[in-house]
Amino acid sequence: GAVVSQHPSRVICKSGTSVKIECRSLDFQATTMFWYRQFPKQSLMLMATSNEGSKATYEQGVEKDKFLINHASLTLSTLTVTSAHPEDSSFYICSAHTIREPGTNEQFFGPGTRLTVL
Amino acid sequence: DAKTTQPPSMDCAEGRAANLPCNHSTISGNEYVYWYRQIHSQGPQYIIHGLKNNETNEMASLIITEDRKSSTLILPHATLRDTAVYYCIVRVGGGTSYGKLTFGQGTILTVHP
Repeated sequence: GAVVSQHPSRVICKSGTSVKIECRSLDFQATTMFWYRQFPKQSLMLMATSNEGSKATYEQGVEKDKFLINHASLTLSTLTVTSAHPEDSSFYICSAHTIREPGTNEQFFGPGTRLTVL
Repeated sequence: DAKTTQPPSMDCAEGRAANLPCNHSTISGNEYVYWYRQIHSQGPQYIIHGLKNNETNEMASLIITEDRKSSTLILPHATLRDTAVYYCIVRVGGGTSYGKLTFGQGTILTVHP
């Protein structure tokens, strides 16, 4: 099956620092990757859609200058949380999209990254 | 994408079938029904999807009503490891917004011994 990895799995940082999270599709190419955020006891909220070689599309209310997304290759997308603050503490999850047959629209999710900002 | 309604929680005894309902009364003709689940502190896992025919794979079965306004995910023999939040999502299979999934609150399924 399609495997998506994320690194790191958890990170603790001081307020004001920047944190980079990597998302990789290990055995398939993904022209589109997605970044989600999940606060405790809440559902996943889509932050942005990342397309290889082009600028990411951010959902309403998500600051593009704070959450920098780079999708440099068909297997790697990165999310950088700049000048992180305690309210950015959350579970960040990426997914990679692939189509193996019409209508499958399968997204494969990474294991998530737990960010804690002190 | 059509909105879905799921019960907030359900219980199931281990070894029994778990039947998780989902209402999607505003579904359009080109929209598929997808099911994902999320085990605590992990990324969501794809389970199954369908358009109008019933579907079965190694994980579950998906029963879609003839009018497509509701569906049921069936885990035939639930185990303790099936305890998770189950999300029913309806979306188009293609088009300019393809790939985008909108997660609702889902159903917390608790499988007990």
